[in-house]
Amino acid sequence: GAGVSQTPSNKVTEKGKYVELRCDPISGHTALYWYRQSLGQGPEFLIYFQGTGAADDSGLPNDRFFAVRPEGSVSTLKIQRTERGDSAVYLCASSLSSGRGNEQFFGPGTRLTVL
Amino acid sequence: GDSVTQMEGPVTLSEEAFLTINCTYTATGYPSLFWYVQYPGEGLQLLLKATKADDKGSNKGFEATYRKETTSFHLEKGSVQVSDSAVYFCALIENTNAGKSTFGDGTTLTVKP
Repeated sequence: GAGVSQTPSNKVTEKGKYVELRCDPISGHTALYWYRQSLGQGPEFLIYFQGTGAADDSGLPNDRFFAVRPEGSVSTLKIQRTERGDSAVYLCASSLSSGRGNEQFFGPGTRLTVL
Repeated sequence: GDSVTQMEGPVTLSEEAFLTINCTYTATGYPSLFWYVQYPGEGLQLLLKATKADDKGSNKGFEATYRKETTSFHLEKGSVQVSDSAVYFCALIENTNAGKSTFGDGTTLTVKP
């Protein structure tokens, strides 16, 4: 079956611009997660959704970052006034539900480059 | 806060050598522990997991045992293959915040024929 998909795979933008990154989770998965991975580091948690609501957004670095999941399926991560330090690979994952034993399935990521 | 510390890489081994990648963690609660693997050009995928103390996760010849007393979850394989070359990430999920994974920085393994 289809896995987690993310679009675009690559995004190059200029400092100060607005970007949207999209995640399509595995069908039927109620939990959805966003992570950011910088070169040479592990994924860093940003936010997770259980259904339509953000259950934990404690990892969002500042108010330029926002994520939505209006229908409990597709999610969009939105970054306003991008900065060079936002350059990273943004990973999305989904799982059947949130829970300490549930496997998270990861998408291929979106590589964001801010010039 | 929670943290995961992995053995620094890169690690280079010859085929059929024994592999150990160390992982230790700090957590306030009782976490589940995971090893993820990222093959070249591919996304992260779960390799194995353990959800309680003394559990052993295993997959594809890899094993790791949840050691609560030493807060460790070391990854081992008895005989590595060239196809095992990848980046390996240790991670935990707290029982008190079941949506948030905390990852180590990854260990790059290269296996030479």
